[in-house]
Amino acid sequence: GAGVSQTPSNKVTEKGKYVELRCDPISGHTALYWYRQSLGQGPEFLIYFQGTGAADDSGLPNDRFFAVRPEGSVSTLKIQRTERGDSAVYLCASSTGRGRGGDEQFFGPGTRLTVL
Amino acid sequence: GQQLNQSPQSMFIQEGEDVSMNCTSSSIFNTWLWYKQDPGEGPVLLIALYKAGELTSNGRLTAQFGITRKDSFLNISASIPSDVGIYFCAGQPQGGSEKLVFGKGTKLTVNP
Repeated sequence: GAGVSQTPSNKVTEKGKYVELRCDPISGHTALYWYRQSLGQGPEFLIYFQGTGAADDSGLPNDRFFAVRPEGSVSTLKIQRTERGDSAVYLCASSTGRGRGGDEQFFGPGTRLTVL
Repeated sequence: GQQLNQSPQSMFIQEGEDVSMNCTSSSIFNTWLWYKQDPGEGPVLLIALYKAGELTSNGRLTAQFGITRKDSFLNISASIPSDVGIYFCAGQPQGGSEKLVFGKGTKLTVNP
């Protein structure tokens, strides 16, 4: 498809485990964003990449969260030592990355993470 | 941190009625955006506003970027059942980052 895809769509894990969430952006989009959406809330910014580098990681809540985008396309969000409070829908978005402000971000369907 | 106050939290209306929702902030935003989210999907952009005072329409939707750059509203005219969903305002804060700050959403229910 032509949209942003995320895998898995659902992930159930146990407290203390490590998880990886994957995002495939729209082809040719240089900017990629991660957001977290808790139940009944709006998306909350985590990190965004321009190419391979993290341009703004100010939203990562602590050092258990880490994201990479080694080739400037696919990105992986990694969460170590998961806690029950990490349960949420993790949304990925991509944009053309022209950086002129308001560059439209196209969202994927999200990965629903449940930490038991 | 920066927050957007979105209201109302939910709305129950009859098909054909007009709807209005708004967002306010204590800080200035460079861009205001309105998204709609359906269950199990990511938000989809409805309208983007780039200049203070700008009034933009997209079909039955109209949105405005407040003069102070600290607020925005979205109007939906002649609502239809497929308008059901959660509407989010979002803003791009000053500072150069492309990140978006979202409101908590307005859940819209349309009764046929």
